[in-house]
Parts: sequence; structure tokens; C-alpha cells
Amino acid sequence: GQQLNQSPQSMFIQEGEDVSMNCTSSSIFNTWLWYKQDPGEGPVLLIALYKAGELTSNGRLTAQFGITRKDSFLNISASIPSDVGIYFCAGHIYSGGGADGLTFGKGTHLIIQP
Amino acid sequence: NAGVTQTPKFQVLKTGQSMTLQCAQDMNHNSMYWYRQDPGMGLRLIYYSASEGTTDKGEVPNGYNVSRLNKREFSLRLESAAPSQTSVYFCASCFDRGQGYTFGSGTRLTVV
Repeated sequence: GQQLNQSPQSMFIQEGEDVSMNCTSSSIFNTWLWYKQDPGEGPVLLIALYKAGELTSNGRLTAQFGITRKDSFLNISASIPSDVGIYFCAGHIYSGGGADGLTFGKGTHLIIQP
Repeated sequence: NAGVTQTPKFQVLKTGQSMTLQCAQDMNHNSMYWYRQDPGMGLRLIYYSASEGTTDKGEVPNGYNVSRLNKREFSLRLESAAPSQTSVYFCASCFDRGQGYTFGSGTRLTVV
């Protein structure tokens, strides 16, 4: 099946720093999504990307859908303590006979040191 | 708006016991999904229902069954629980496949 390689696995940064994480795949996707998960909660959608090359912002968050459709990145500017959590990328492509549903990366664990 | 509601939030089962995890959404979404989340493994798709009346296997369906009871409700059943099924289970829904999902807050299941 499709696999997403998400990196880095974890990040230890200082408050106020910018953060960058990315996902790559050997397969193309039609949709790239970025989620954040807080402890004890389900993932919450941050940004959705539906077109190759698309660059979308949501406050301090910016994400891009790679032109090859095989990668995406998420940037967080001027990190604050509430940014702590696990960030997941997810990709989707309509498939004829295979299992449908989003394919998720394994997550980037963001830890912010005051 | 409740969004996606999962019950129970926590459950401990003995090996061989059965149980059903319940999921309901109030957003008139067409598609519903069950994922399990294990440390270091990310989220893996168990079963999904693209629309009312249909269900299909995902990446890890063995040991599970599902029922799309109506447009709102999608349940996951463990017929004979095994320790390997200890996990956090998430239900999700979306209006159309390929769009962002809305997730429930999860069911934390321990099988001893």
C-alpha cells in the first residue's frame, strides 16, 4: 500500500522559533492534509491542499502541495507553547479497487522549550 | 455541534470477550471511517463506509467487523478480543472522500 515518510520524527525547539516538517511519498496524491493531535484527543484538521503547487496559510501555519504531487511541507512561524503536539500529514487518491481512505504519516512530535 | 461522538472513551476487556465501539456524526457526512492508532505506527485504516449501505476493508481489518447502521452511525465490533487489539480507536467522517476528516476523541481499549 501507499506509505508516507514524515520527518522529522520529533523536534525540540525554543519558543519563538520557526518550525518546518515535511512528508514524501513514492506515490502521487490528489489531496494533502495536515492535522494536529493534542494528548487524549483526536486529530484536528489544520490545512487542506487540493491542487499541485498550491500554497495555503492558516494564521501562523503555511503548507504547500508539492508540484510532483508526491510531497508536502508544513511551516509554523514564531512557535508558541500551544503549538506542542503531534502533527500528521495525510494523503488521499481515489483508487479503483484498493482500500479508500486517507494514508497517514507517522507524525512529528513537536516539543517547545520555554 | 457535537461533530463525531465515540463511546465508550475507555474500555478494558479480557482476551476472548466481545464488544462494540459506537460512533455517530451529526454533520450529514456521507463517508465514515475507523482507524486505530498505535505508538510509532501512526493511524491505520481498519474499515470504512463510503456511503450509507456500503462497507469496505481497510489496511488492517482482521479481527474486526463493522456495521453502517444508518447515515449517522458506524459501529466497530471485536468478536473475540486479543491483546494485539490494545490500541486507541478513532472514528472519522467526511462529506466526500478525499476531503478533510472530522475525528472523534477516541476510545482507549486495553485487552488483558
